[in-house]
Order: sequence, then C-alpha cells, then structure tokens
Amino acid sequence: EPEVTQTPSHQVTQMGQEVILRCVPISNHLYFYWYRQILGQKVEFLVSFYNNEISEKSEIFDDQFSVERPDGSNFTLKIRSTKLEDSAMYFCASSDGGTTEAFFGQGTRLTVV
Amino acid sequence: LAKTTQPISMDSYEGQEVNITCSHNNIATNDYITWYQQFPSQGPRFIIQGYKTKVTNEVASLFIPADRKSSTLSLPRVSLSDTAVYYCLVGLNSGYSTLTFGKGTMLLVSP
Repeated sequence: EPEVTQTPSHQVTQMGQEVILRCVPISNHLYFYWYRQILGQKVEFLVSFYNNEISEKSEIFDDQFSVERPDGSNFTLKIRSTKLEDSAMYFCASSDGGTTEAFFGQGTRLTVV
Repeated sequence: LAKTTQPISMDSYEGQEVNITCSHNNIATNDYITWYQQFPSQGPRFIIQGYKTKVTNEVASLFIPADRKSSTLSLPRVSLSDTAVYYCLVGLNSGYSTLTFGKGTMLLVSP
C-alpha cells in the first residue's frame, strides 16, 4: 500500500537554528499538507500546497516557515529560526484532491532545546 | 467552518460495539462528515466519510440522520488495537478543504 514517508523521525535542534523536515508524498497525489501536533494537544493545520504554490496557510505558518517541492517527489517544511514553542510532532499529508481523504506520514518529532 | 462536539473519552471492552456520536449543528449543505483515527505518536488515519444516511466499509459504519446535525461512528466488535483517538471532522469534500481537528474522543478498549 502506498504511504507518505517522513524523515527524520526525530530531530533535536538548538533554538535559533534552521531545520528542514522532509516528506515524500504518495506519487500520484496532487495536494500536500503540513500539520503539527504539540504534545497532548490537537492536530493543527499549517499549510496546504497545490500546483507548486501555497493554496492555504494558517496563522501559525508565519514568515519563519516555508514549504518547497524541490523536485517531483519531495515536499519540505523549513523553519528558519526555531523557537522552543516549535517543539511538536510535524505531520506531512497528501491527497489526490478528489476527497478529504488525506494520507498522513508517521511524523517527525521536533525537539527544540 | 462547522464546529463539532464529541465526548472526550469512552471506555469499552473487547468484542463490544462502540458508538461515538458527534454533533455538528451548523453543518453546511455542501459539507461532508469524515472520521479519522489516531494512535499515539502516529499520524491520523482516514476511517470513513459520508454525506447522509448510512455508509459502511470494512472498518466501521457511519450513521447520519436526515437533519445531518449529528453523526455516529460505529465500530463493531472492538479489539485492544482499536484503542485510539477518534476525530469527527466536517467540511467540503475536496483536497482544497483543510482538515480541522478537534480534541477527538479517546477510546480505551480493555480486555
């Protein structure tokens, strides 16, 4: 069964450092998303991406965040200067766009120290 | 966006049927109802989606009354591995539609 893969599974970084979280969406999907979940809290939408551009973003997705699809398979989330409150599980998801059935990756646990 | 309300937690035993009800009083005409499941430290997983009446797949059934102001996810004969958080979401049925997760219902299945 096709799946969304994310790397790394866990990343520890120092406050102020840049991090790049990587995702390989399902190959024939057209819509890509990043969500995050702070420990013990709900899953929060960050950004959606379609046709090589951001289609929607939340208030969380400020200037410190950026997304990119550098090639035909990868989808990345960059946090330019991490803060302690960026510590969370980050989930990448993709869908074929026909429905709201999105396929989520296993997540990257980001710890900012 | 239609707001959803569901119980914070539920307990069950193996082999029982579990029904989780979600209320969405201000659901819009074009909105669909979607349920996701999330295990600890994993991403959410799509379970089932419906617009009205009843939908059934190999995992669950979804019951939606005529007024669509609520829906019930039914899990037949649960096992320990069904222990998870279950989310009810309401929105347009499109990849453009972002998923808005609430706090979900934590289902604990005991032996």
